[in-house]
Amino acid sequence: GAGVSQTPSNKVTEKGKYVELRCDPISGHTALYWYRQSLGQGPEFLIYFQGTGAADDSGLPNDRFFAVRPEGSVSTLKIQRTERGDSAVYLCASSLWAGSTDTQYFGPGTRLTVL
Amino acid sequence: AQSVTQLDSHVSVSEGTPVLLRCNYSSSYSPSLFWYVQHPNKGLQLLLKYTSAATLVKGINGFEAEFKKSETSFHLTKPSAHMSDAAEYFCVVSDEFGGFKTIFGAGTRLFVKA
Repeated sequence: GAGVSQTPSNKVTEKGKYVELRCDPISGHTALYWYRQSLGQGPEFLIYFQGTGAADDSGLPNDRFFAVRPEGSVSTLKIQRTERGDSAVYLCASSLWAGSTDTQYFGPGTRLTVL
Repeated sequence: AQSVTQLDSHVSVSEGTPVLLRCNYSSSYSPSLFWYVQHPNKGLQLLLKYTSAATLVKGINGFEAEFKKSETSFHLTKPSAHMSDAAEYFCVVSDEFGGFKTIFGAGTRLFVKA
């Protein structure tokens, strides 16, 4: 079956611009997670959704970052006024439920480069 | 709050020799622990997970890990390394007290020499 997909695979933008990153989870998965992975680091938790609601957004670095999941499936991570420090690979994962024991299935990521 | 420490940033082994990747965790509650592998230009893949059942967990590709509460460790092992095992490995902790937020370690890069 289809796994988690993310679009675009690569995004190059200029400092100050707005970007949207999309995640399509595995069908039927109610939980969706966003992570950011900088070069040489482990993925850093940003936010997770259970259904349509953001259950924990404590990892979002500041108010320039926002994520939505309006119908409980596809999610969009939105970054306003991008900065060079936002350059990273943004990973999305989904799981059947948002439980500590549930396996998360990861997408291939979107590589964001801010010039 | 949960945290994970991977004790080695790089590990190098010869093909056919044992692999040991070390992980220590901190959790205020009964943790779930995972090991993920990331091959170059590929997505993260689950190797194995511990969820309070058997303390010795067997995963894919011959990997296993042992949960030791007294040592707060969850080290990953494999009896015999293969060239295809060369990748980045991440230890991950999650617990209900932390609101199911998953915390990744910084990663250990495994090199396998022929």
